[in-house]
Amino acid sequence: EDKVVQSPLSLVVHEGDTVTLNCSYEVTNFRSLLWYKQEKKAPTFLFMLTSSGIEKKSGRLSSILDKKELFSILNITATQTGDSAVYLCAFPYGNKLVFGAGTILRVKS
Amino acid sequence: NAGVTQTPKFRILKIGQSMTLQCTQDMNHNYMYWYRQDPGMGLKLIYYSVGAGITDKGEVPNGYNVSRSTTEDFPLRLELAAPSQTSVYFCASSYSSSGGNEQFFGPGTRLTVL
Repeated sequence: EDKVVQSPLSLVVHEGDTVTLNCSYEVTNFRSLLWYKQEKKAPTFLFMLTSSGIEKKSGRLSSILDKKELFSILNITATQTGDSAVYLCAFPYGNKLVFGAGTILRVKS
Repeated sequence: NAGVTQTPKFRILKIGQSMTLQCTQDMNHNYMYWYRQDPGMGLKLIYYSVGAGITDKGEVPNGYNVSRSTTEDFPLRLELAAPSQTSVYFCASSYSSSGGNEQFFGPGTRLTVL
């Protein structure tokens, strides 16, 4: 059965710290992996990764995919309190997206 | 563009009542989805649609129904509300299959069944 597992489940850091969130997957017919940030409301799209080893970057956030070891990481450098959120990874399954349970990140000032 | 809009934002139902959660998108997206998210849990797909007139079940369809009479609208119907349906419901849309395109989410509907 295709699945995605995120770790850690939750994380508390101080402003300025760097964090790494993990998403491992077992997916037949892999096409892509997506990262979302969810604050109090709906998830917002961060990255879509399709190729192994190519880093996607947006400001202090970056993500990379390892198709050999079947995982992706999301890095956040110089964290800010506004980065506090649930971070979700997901993969397409047929016409749908299957989401991991998420990592709850809390950044303390 | 308003993107994906959902109504209502909040609702409290009694057990056995019925209601329809509305979802509309103005991006001319073919694909639309309904998810539920329970506290501390990830998103679970309820139903999805690949175009007007076509719907299919997701992971947790029991207790729900959907219809897709137009490209823009994808309402979710609860016929006999149960406490287990207390959740936050998100509607989403994408241009095509989610493999190549991101999904855009609505703001959510918080439903409580007492």
